[in-house]
Amino acid sequence: GQQLNQSPQSMFIQEGEDVSMNCTSSSIFNTWLWYKQEPGEGPVLLIALYKAGELTSNGRLTAQFGITRKDSFLNISASIPSDVGIYFCAGRGGGTSYGKLTFGQGTILTVHP
Amino acid sequence: KAGVTQTPRYLIKTRGQQVTLSCSPISGHRSVSWYQQTPGQGLQFLFEYFSETQRNKGNFPGRFSGRQFSNSRSEMNVSTLELGDSALYLCASSSKQVAYNEQFFGPGTRLTVL
Repeated sequence: GQQLNQSPQSMFIQEGEDVSMNCTSSSIFNTWLWYKQEPGEGPVLLIALYKAGELTSNGRLTAQFGITRKDSFLNISASIPSDVGIYFCAGRGGGTSYGKLTFGQGTILTVHP
Repeated sequence: KAGVTQTPRYLIKTRGQQVTLSCSPISGHRSVSWYQQTPGQGLQFLFEYFSETQRNKGNFPGRFSGRQFSNSRSEMNVSTLELGDSALYLCASSSKQVAYNEQFFGPGTRLTVL
């Protein structure tokens, strides 16, 4: 089945630093989504990407849909303590995938004040 | 607009029992997907319902089942619980049919099987 490899697994950074994480897939995806999850909560949608090469920003967050449709990255600029959490990429394939998302393993982000 | 709600938030069951979890999607959303989240396996897709029909199913045993009602609310059922079923069960709703799939998640139901 489809596999998503997300890296890095964890990051420890200082407040104010920029962060970059990425996901690669063995298969093509038609949609890439980035979520953030905090303890005791469900994932919250950050950015959605629909076209190969698309670059989308949401405040300090920027994400890109890879041109091959097999990868995506997320950048966070000028990190702040509330950025702490687990970030997940998720992809949706074509055909009859409908409501099925395949998730990466997550990147645990820790921000030191 | 209210978000996705899930009940109950926490459940403790013993092996062999069965459990039913409920999910109410965002108003107007007709697609509901269910996921299991565990430390070892991460987020795994269980199944998706749209207009009361199961459209897609993940690789889980038949003990995991679901249904959707005419008001788009959904339930999932796990029969003959095993220790390994302990997990956070998340549902997500979406308003689009196929082309776009922004899924919005509820807070989850934390199931502990003893």
